[in-house]
Amino acid sequence: GAVVSQHPSRVICKSGTSVKIECRSLDFQATTMFWYRQFPKKSLMLMATSNEGSKATYEQGVEKDKFLINHASLTLSTLTVTSAHPEDSSFYICSARRFTSGANTGELFFGEGSRLTVL
Amino acid sequence: QKEVEQNSGPLSVPEGAIASLNCTYSDRGSQSFFWYRQYSGKSPELIMSIYSNGDKEDGRFTAQLNKASQYVSLLIRDSQPSDSATYLCAVIGGANSKLTFGKGITLSVRP
Repeated sequence: GAVVSQHPSRVICKSGTSVKIECRSLDFQATTMFWYRQFPKKSLMLMATSNEGSKATYEQGVEKDKFLINHASLTLSTLTVTSAHPEDSSFYICSARRFTSGANTGELFFGEGSRLTVL
Repeated sequence: QKEVEQNSGPLSVPEGAIASLNCTYSDRGSQSFFWYRQYSGKSPELIMSIYSNGDKEDGRFTAQLNKASQYVSLLIRDSQPSDSATYLCAVIGGANSKLTFGKGITLSVRP
């Protein structure tokens, strides 16, 4: 079954509005979650690392004021795309690292992804 | 710059054949290695993880790791049309390191 749940799976919004995407780890606690973006036929691009209880770490070129990340609990991280514009239309995917015995670096599981279309 | 390289593809094999997907990585200190499968329009799905040299088998999938050569591969036996997808190789350097992805290779299994 799903290990990481992401919601909503699809969202269409008007230009200038804000959109919130939620990412939950379902049966484990995740102190760190990751947010990716993927354009059609392109590879995954890491946007930011979400850290529970502290500020997110953004990758170079990603606007922190544009993509607000909140990791308020050990099972929930949210990404808010503020003042969305058509160029923000993309597939946003979250992931969380689950640690088990024998894997000291953990395994990364992905949510189902959220397809954002900004009109 | 830590890099993960995959053959550009696409790779096409007939149904029932073995598909061989290859990946090399630049960070010699890398500890964990993963193969993800991504269907079009969907998010990546973890199909194999491997941490030590040698082979690891899971059903029709076998991951092979050679740390000396900095090489990890995925073999898919008895390929099925449902295996047609993009396969992403990913590597983690350490417990607090990020996952670095290759660009992926698209596999097409012909009925």
